[in-house]
Amino acid sequence: GQQLNQSPQSMFIQEGEDVSMNCTSSSIFNTWLWYKQDPGEGPVLLIALYKAGELTSNGRLTAQFGITRKDSFLNISASIPSDVGIYFCAGQRGAGGTSYGKLTFGQGTILTVHP
Amino acid sequence: DGGITQSPKYLFRKEGQNVTLSCEQNLNHDAMYWYRQDPGQGLRLIYYSQIVNDFQKGDIAEGYSVSREKKESFPLTVTSAQKNPTAFYLCASMFGADRGDQPQHFGDGTRLSIL
Repeated sequence: GQQLNQSPQSMFIQEGEDVSMNCTSSSIFNTWLWYKQDPGEGPVLLIALYKAGELTSNGRLTAQFGITRKDSFLNISASIPSDVGIYFCAGQRGAGGTSYGKLTFGQGTILTVHP
Repeated sequence: DGGITQSPKYLFRKEGQNVTLSCEQNLNHDAMYWYRQDPGQGLRLIYYSQIVNDFQKGDIAEGYSVSREKKESFPLTVTSAQKNPTAFYLCASMFGADRGDQPQHFGDGTRLSIL
């Protein structure tokens, strides 16, 4: 099955630095989602994007839905130690048809924050 | 509290044995999904169900089976035909297409290992 191209694969940063990661696809998606996963836990939804060009913030997190509907980025400002984890992007098909709701995931970005 | 409950948290399988992973949700979600996660990889879709008594194969359905007899429940059976079952299994759910574009939410996962 298709996977999204997510980069970078890993990041090692100092506390207080800003972080940026992105996802690209050869296919169009109706929705872009960003999740964070802690070890041994399920992914937790951070931000959902529903419109091309949409820029959405959630606290220190900002994400954008690319205008071509084939890409998205996530920024984290002023990182803190609890930001450590794996961040996944996911593209979701739109309503209608048997493919509704099917998610395609990126490989994940492992974030390490040094105090 | 509303949520998605997966059980057990850890499961061990003997060679040639079938095992069943439980997923229950009380969010009144219509669609439910099973994913497999291997180290260093994103999530891959095993099976999904958009409505009770109906389900479709995902990208890696071989060696797995599911049922959807109740809206709240979507159990996954890992059969003896699945030769490499060791992985982290995640269940997710979401509202149906009639609610418009919605994100999927995940349970906390079941880690399956071979004895």
